[in-house]
Amino acid sequence: DAGVIQSPRHEVTEMGQEVTLRCKPISGHNSLFWYRQTMMRGLELLIYFNNNVPIDDSGMPEDRFSAKMPNASFSTLKIQPSEPRDSAVYFCASRTGVGEKLFFGSGTQLSVL
Amino acid sequence: GQQVMQIPQYQHVQEGEDFTTYCNSSTTLSNIQWYKQRPGGHPVFLIQLVKSGEVKKQKRLTFQFGEAKKNSSLHITATQTTDVGTYFCAGPPGGYNKLIFGAGTRLAVHP
Repeated sequence: DAGVIQSPRHEVTEMGQEVTLRCKPISGHNSLFWYRQTMMRGLELLIYFNNNVPIDDSGMPEDRFSAKMPNASFSTLKIQPSEPRDSAVYFCASRTGVGEKLFFGSGTQLSVL
Repeated sequence: GQQVMQIPQYQHVQEGEDFTTYCNSSTTLSNIQWYKQRPGGHPVFLIQLVKSGEVKKQKRLTFQFGEAKKNSSLHITATQTTDVGTYFCAGPPGGYNKLIFGAGTRLAVHP
């Protein structure tokens, strides 16, 4: 199995631009999580899905952030418009079910200038 | 809201010394998980504890879950340079399926 696949690995963009981060979970996993990691705030849960349905998006910072999971093998996290304070590493993770361990992707390093 | 607190934030040790990180939750946890993140890497699952008072060992690593299921610890005996990284505990807030991570303890090991 290839594991959780995220793209791009690195993204550098200018303030105001739209950014789309992509994630392919492990096949057969039914839960998908998006986390953001910064030095100041650690690993923050942004949103998670069960069976492609968003369950809890209380961690999404504001309306500029949106996430979708159109099918079991793909999810996107979009930031529009991006701001410098959005600079962080964004991780996607998946698991087989409630209470099971998370498998993380390699992350997307986002820099907003 | 539910929080998972972790201390210390950072620890420096000499190779061969022991290391311990502590995790505390404001609510009872159904389970607690531990992850390790190497510098520049992503969190990798180490272990899960479910039962009150549970103790599990993985070679030089010992994990404990408190009797009240509100705290946990990870102890590394005789640290090695390969132990370098950040150790996170994570738990689901009561009644929810999401996983909240502690702030992590960054371990530096000097040869």
